[in-house]
Amino acid sequence: RKEVEQDPGPFNVPEGATVAFNCTYSNSASQSFFWYRQDCRKEPKLLMSVYSSGNEDGRFTAQLNRASQYISLLIRDSKLSDSATYLCVVNGGAQKLVFGQGTRLTINP
Amino acid sequence: EPEVTQTPSHQVTQMGQEVILRCVPISNHLYFYWYRQILGQKVEFLVSFYNNEISEKSEIFDDQFSVERPDGSNFTLKIRSTKLEDSAMYFCASPEDKGSYEQYFGPGTRLTVT
Repeated sequence: RKEVEQDPGPFNVPEGATVAFNCTYSNSASQSFFWYRQDCRKEPKLLMSVYSSGNEDGRFTAQLNRASQYISLLIRDSKLSDSATYLCVVNGGAQKLVFGQGTRLTINP
Repeated sequence: EPEVTQTPSHQVTQMGQEVILRCVPISNHLYFYWYRQILGQKVEFLVSFYNNEISEKSEIFDDQFSVERPDGSNFTLKIRSTKLEDSAMYFCASPEDKGSYEQYFGPGTRLTVT
């Protein structure tokens, strides 16, 4: 089983739509969870950390279910600038980060 | 957002040559990390470095790789004898605060081995 597994995508949605990404992780000892976004040939940029209680940052909502080892990201009212690859990331011990393969999102006008 | 810088942005080298990739992490930080991303693949952890010592390394980080902090601010990733399969983006990363798992990535060095 992969350490971090994401929806393969790609997702193509119209501007203004709501889109949801899902992710599962295999290491039950993981303590920290993140969503990063990565534009083509650029570095990963931290989008948000994910907390057990769920957290929201503007149009973005992240949820964590430790029992199911499942993480989600919801983007509401999507913008053209949201087009990117979204990376589910989990700490793998001693602060190293373990990345999922990523899900490519394209927002269409 | 905290800034991490890397040089060069692109390095082309011949197989068998040594390369040195440079990073300036968030200032005064003792933790930093190297990751790599082969084109079309996921980001992979290489090595973490704390207080001038390697604290963890992956299977990828074999004897051909080394890390140093030569002057207290910059730190380097050296590949002694490059192979074609070393072609990738190499990112260094630094946490914003000591003990934080949130890591901020530099813009990366694209290494092309011919």
